[in-house]
Amino acid sequence: QKEVEQNSGPLSVPEGAIASLNCTYSDRGSQSFFWYRQYSGKSPELIMFIYSNGDKEDGRFTAQLNKASQYVSLLIRDSQPSDSATYLCAVPGGSNFGNEKLTFGTGTRLTIIP
Amino acid sequence: ETGVTQTPRHLVMGMTNKKSLKCEQHLGHNAMYWYKQSAKKPLELMFVYNFKEQTENNSVPSRFSPECPNSSHLFLHLHTLQPEDSALYLCASSHRLQGGYNEQFFGPGTRLTVL
Repeated sequence: QKEVEQNSGPLSVPEGAIASLNCTYSDRGSQSFFWYRQYSGKSPELIMFIYSNGDKEDGRFTAQLNKASQYVSLLIRDSQPSDSATYLCAVPGGSNFGNEKLTFGTGTRLTIIP
Repeated sequence: ETGVTQTPRHLVMGMTNKKSLKCEQHLGHNAMYWYKQSAKKPLELMFVYNFKEQTENNSVPSRFSPECPNSSHLFLHLHTLQPEDSALYLCASSHRLQGGYNEQFFGPGTRLTVL
């Protein structure tokens, strides 16, 4: 059984600062990781995917993966009020049919303070 | 219509009622999913359908009955639910890629309240 753990927050960050969100996972065999963003009352949307150790950057977002320590993090630079949302970490796997099954963490609620 | 749509968006039902949730995807995907999202809990995968075949049933009680008539439509039939089944029910779809990246696109969800 894959387990994915996140600090539920809330995490409050001043506007313009760097927000750092962390996720740990239990299955050493996990190969890839997703970060979803979920605004209040809305459905999750994918913002980052990472499968290699190290950093992956996309605009203001950077995903960092450390397989030896079994954690993945998401950094948001120059935080904006529109970044206020719940961020969900997810790990795929669980069948012989590719990566259909996603196991999600509880999510970290991020609030950017103007 | 684009993306993944779900109807109804809100549903209130009694414990003796029978109702159905509907999901439709307009993305040409071949895998569809039902998730349950409750407060303070992680998103829970309920069912996975791949090319209309159910490939995953995550120990869901029989009062939830899925149906996938084709790759674009997914239903969740509900009967004799309990108040603890009140939650947001999310549908998602994706391409099935053998051993590769597989982004799931979510619908807006149905907010279900069981009285």
